[in-house]
Amino acid sequence: GESVGLHLPTLSVQEGDNSIINCAYSNSASDYFIWYKQESGKGPQFIIDIRSNMDKRQGQRVTVLLNKTVKHLSLQIAATQPGDSAVYFCAEKGGSQGNLIFGKGTKLSVKP
Amino acid sequence: KAGVTQTPRYLIKTRGQQVTLSCSPISGHRSVSWYQQTPGQGLQFLFEYFSETQRNKGNFPGRFSGRQFSNSRSEMNVSTLELGDSALYLCASSLDLGPYEQYFGPGTRLTVT
Repeated sequence: GESVGLHLPTLSVQEGDNSIINCAYSNSASDYFIWYKQESGKGPQFIIDIRSNMDKRQGQRVTVLLNKTVKHLSLQIAATQPGDSAVYFCAEKGGSQGNLIFGKGTKLSVKP
Repeated sequence: KAGVTQTPRYLIKTRGQQVTLSCSPISGHRSVSWYQQTPGQGLQFLFEYFSETQRNKGNFPGRFSGRQFSNSRSEMNVSTLELGDSALYLCASSLDLGPYEQYFGPGTRLTVT
């Protein structure tokens, strides 16, 4: 039969506003985290990473916040643009696992 | 520097056939990982190779296999294809094992009919 697609959370923002995308990770032993952006028909694109010895890291228009106490990661995008429209994934790595484990993704839609 | 390249980009196969996908990592990157992406399951890890050795394996049946060559290029093979194998297969490379940035290729879209 037909597979049921993942119900992706959707965030809709106005162009120029700030966006905050949240992610809950699963493994308290994870020590490395990455945010990816995936546009339709393309592979995931690296945005920013953070290690567990930090709680904040800034890039160009993006900031990642890490709260290890509640196992929560967030990606903030400043002055969101139409080109930011995509699905955003968080991924974790560390502990006993050697591979990246991906969250289900959040679809960001930017209204002009 | 050229990014991760994958060939072919699109592939249509019938049930029971086998398929080989190829991945060339970023120059200097020694670790290659493979992922399967489907609408139902999202991004799932298949395996990781480093120095021509499989270092880590996801929860997929033995029909899925891979290898890495001395130049770090990697191939994955799926035998006895099933309809459920239809997916986007993504390859990612990183400099080394451990907590390093992992860069993805554009993927190979496999359709099994």
